[in-house]
Amino acid sequence: SAVISQKPSRDICQRGTSLTIQCQVDSQVTMMFWYRQQPGQSLTLIATANQGSEATYESGFVIDKFPISRPNLTFSTLTVSNMSPEDSSIYLCSVRQMNTEAFFGQGTRLTVV
Amino acid sequence: GQNIDQPTEMTATEGAIVQINCTYQTSGFNGLFWYQQHAGEAPTFLSYNVLDGLEEKGRFSSFLSRSKGYSYLLLKELQMKDSASYLCAVRDRVTGGGNKLTFGTGTQLKVEL
Repeated sequence: SAVISQKPSRDICQRGTSLTIQCQVDSQVTMMFWYRQQPGQSLTLIATANQGSEATYESGFVIDKFPISRPNLTFSTLTVSNMSPEDSSIYLCSVRQMNTEAFFGQGTRLTVV
Repeated sequence: GQNIDQPTEMTATEGAIVQINCTYQTSGFNGLFWYQQHAGEAPTFLSYNVLDGLEEKGRFSSFLSRSKGYSYLLLKELQMKDSASYLCAVRDRVTGGGNKLTFGTGTQLKVEL
C-alpha cells in the first residue's frame, strides 16, 4: 500500500483566486491521478499526472483551469485557477502501480465564496 | 467510454446480508473494483475482480460476470459501521491507455437497527 499526504485538507477561498493542492507519496508510484468529488456525488477524473510531461486531461477539464505538475514519481500538484463557487468540491489525489488497486489521499475540501 | 450503473441508495438491517449491484458497459474491460467511502473520508479499497466468479474477503464478497457486464458486492453480518457509500469502478484497457478507473455514482448504504 501507499501512504498519501494531501495538503491542504480544506480551504475557503475567494472567487477569482487560485489554490494549489499538493500530493506527496511515501514511495515511488507509476501513476498519479486527480479526481473531483462534488457533494453527494461520485468521483470524476480530472487528469492523469504524467511524470516529466504534460498531464492528460479528461473531457471537460483543461490545463488553463487545472494546471498539474508532477516533477518526480512521488509528488504532484493540482492548481484550481480563477476559482468560482462551482469549483467548490473535494479534490482527491490517487496513486496506483501497474495492475494494482488505487489508493487515495484524504482529499482537499475546497469552498469558494 | 463506460456506463456504470448502481442503485442510488439501499437500506438494510444490522446482522442481515445486502447485495449491491453494478452493471457496466465498456469496450475493453480490464478489471472491476469496489471501494467503500465513509462521509468526509477518502475511498478505501474493498475488492478487485478481473475473472468471472466470486472473490471472498471476510464479510465482503464480490462477484463478476464479464459476459453480462455485471458485478455485485455482498456484505454479510451487517454492522452499523458499514453505513457508507459503495463505489463500483471499472478499468478499461482501451480508454486512457488502460490505466484509469471510471467510477459509478455510488450506492449509499444505510444500516439500521
